[in-house]
Amino acid sequence: AQKVTQAQTEISVVEKEDVTLDCVYETRDTTYYLFWYKQPPSGELVFLIRRNSFDEQNEISGRYSWNFQKSTSSFNFTITASQVVDSAVYFCALRVTTSGTYKYIFGTGTRLKVLA
Amino acid sequence: GAVVSQHPSRVICKSGTSVKIECRSLDFQATTMFWYRQFPKQSLMLMATSNEGSKATYEQGVEKDKFLINHASLTLSTLTVTSAHPEDSSFYICSARSGAVNSPLHFGNGTRLTVT
Repeated sequence: AQKVTQAQTEISVVEKEDVTLDCVYETRDTTYYLFWYKQPPSGELVFLIRRNSFDEQNEISGRYSWNFQKSTSSFNFTITASQVVDSAVYFCALRVTTSGTYKYIFGTGTRLKVLA
Repeated sequence: GAVVSQHPSRVICKSGTSVKIECRSLDFQATTMFWYRQFPKQSLMLMATSNEGSKATYEQGVEKDKFLINHASLTLSTLTVTSAHPEDSSFYICSARSGAVNSPLHFGNGTRLTVT
């Protein structure tokens, strides 16, 4: 099966707290890409990061960091010192190749509420 | 960054009428465009994948005669909801990617369709 699981449906934190959003994926492909997208209340999806299956280096971008662990099929996302503007739904996605075509599989999303 | 423009952002139509939604890539050539549907507080459901100049590939359970997709150029894809019914009311999101292997998906702002 090829799927993405975001077990946390909703998380609430107080501003300045750190928060980690979990993402576990399943795929039989050896080459694949993982993504995180942010969907604020306005609805548009904003691309945050892309990681290919051969690059397990963790990445930090400002207050955002990502931990890719191939051994546990996880690609977790941490926001440090959260802010109210971080409130959004965050989707983890997996890109696989099916019959020569790229297919993007999204998790069910985690709604993050950052309280002032 | 890459910009995808989706229009209209919101449309209300009467049952039985058809609605066309446009998706344009503004600063890159989109070899592949994807159309998603999102129900309230749910994940994105892929409806179809369209490659420029060829027929769209529809996901299982999506009626191709009801959801007409045209991808006539490298910068424009359209989704037409024909003979709309209230159950077609939803948030429709298009996304596009260029042909580069590591290209992420870039999303439009979505169209909220309400069928009365």
